[in-house]
Amino acid sequence: DVKVTQSSRYLVKRTGEKVFLECVQDMDHENMFWYRQDPGLGLRLIYFSYDVKMKEKGDIPEGYSVSREKKERFSLILESASTNQTSMYLCASSLLGTAYNEQFFGPGTRLTVL
Amino acid sequence: AQTVTQSQPEMSVQEAETVTLSCTYDTSESDYYLFWYKQPPSRQMILVIRQEAYKQQNATENRFSVNFQKAAKSFSLKISDSQLGDAAMYFCAYSSPYTGNQFYFGTGTSLTVIP
Repeated sequence: DVKVTQSSRYLVKRTGEKVFLECVQDMDHENMFWYRQDPGLGLRLIYFSYDVKMKEKGDIPEGYSVSREKKERFSLILESASTNQTSMYLCASSLLGTAYNEQFFGPGTRLTVL
Repeated sequence: AQTVTQSQPEMSVQEAETVTLSCTYDTSESDYYLFWYKQPPSRQMILVIRQEAYKQQNATENRFSVNFQKAAKSFSLKISDSQLGDAAMYFCAYSSPYTGNQFYFGTGTSLTVIP
């Protein structure tokens, strides 16, 4: 059964803290994605990766960085968390290939920055 | 960036009735794919149905079907015989070979099913 897991369902951090959000997939997918979900704004792509050590900026990369050292793991890093980064963060993965390939999502991490 | 618009932030339907969720998109490409995803409360987002733009026939998956109007750039989702478990946030999404592996999502429609 396909599975994408995220390290935390809920996270509370202080302004200025360094925050790591971890995502692991067990489907041997090449592509991995990080989205931010906010009410009324839908899902917005932060970063994605199509291979180990490769990364591409999405629509809203400012304030974020990513790391992909292993194929199955994709980390999102908030170098210095700010209150406007309070949001739901979703990780997804898909097979490399056609744009028809389904993205599989993790359960999400609800991050609150105080 | 491609634009995907869901103009109905909230919808409600009586159990066992039919409801249609709207989605429009903006593209100049001829080859693309459209998706409907469902996000139940506190649960993972899952794919409901997808459509290839070059296929004229509308996709169906059990009680879920789409009305794909390519010229109008419209991609609505019809849910028949609505069930309580259909209550969720529904997102329309677009992808194409020209956008790489990137999906573009609409802002979502929150569906309530009334018993």
